[in-house]
Amino acid sequence: DAGVIQSPRHEVTEMGQEVTLRCKPISGHDYLFWYRQTMMRGLELLIYFNNNVPIDDSGMPEDRFSAKMPNASFSTLKIQPSEPRDSAVYFCASSLGYTGAEAFFGQGTRLTVV
Amino acid sequence: QKEVEQNSGPLSVPEGAIASLNCTYSDRVSQSFFWYRQYSGKSPELIMSIYSNGDKEDGRFTAQLNKASQYVSLLIRDSQPSDSATYLCAVIPSQGNLIFGKGTKLSVKP
Repeated sequence: DAGVIQSPRHEVTEMGQEVTLRCKPISGHDYLFWYRQTMMRGLELLIYFNNNVPIDDSGMPEDRFSAKMPNASFSTLKIQPSEPRDSAVYFCASSLGYTGAEAFFGQGTRLTVV
Repeated sequence: QKEVEQNSGPLSVPEGAIASLNCTYSDRVSQSFFWYRQYSGKSPELIMSIYSNGDKEDGRFTAQLNKASQYVSLLIRDSQPSDSATYLCAVIPSQGNLIFGKGTKLSVKP
């Protein structure tokens, strides 16, 4: 298996634009997690899904952020409108069973909002 | 507010020495503790987990847990330059999801 695949790897966008980050989890994994990492706040859980259903979105910072998982092999994290403070590395991770600590991480998307 | 605290470093040790990384947590009834390694520009990877007081060894790595002191540590014996990375401590609190510390940057000098 190729592991968790995220795209794009890097994204530079202007403030106010919509940004969509994509994730393909490991086949067969039933949990999917979205994280954000910054120097100031470290690694934070934004939302996680179980069998494509959002379970806990309490980490989503604002209504500008939304996440979907239309099927078992694809998830998106959307920011609309984007702001400079959204600049961070966004990681997707997946696991078999809620072993959130043992999830496999994708390589991340580095987002820069100018 | 449940928190996980780590010294940001950098912690610099010579090759072959023991590196000691420390972490404290605020939720007294946390039960699960983890150490991740993150190389620069890469994603975190789980290297150790510990659930009960005492030591757990895996190769050159030893995790130590003291629940009474709310303290967890990671020792790396015979440190190698390839161990240079940021080490993240993470805790699953009594309620809620995995919480990460901000990490300690380790530099192993040849």
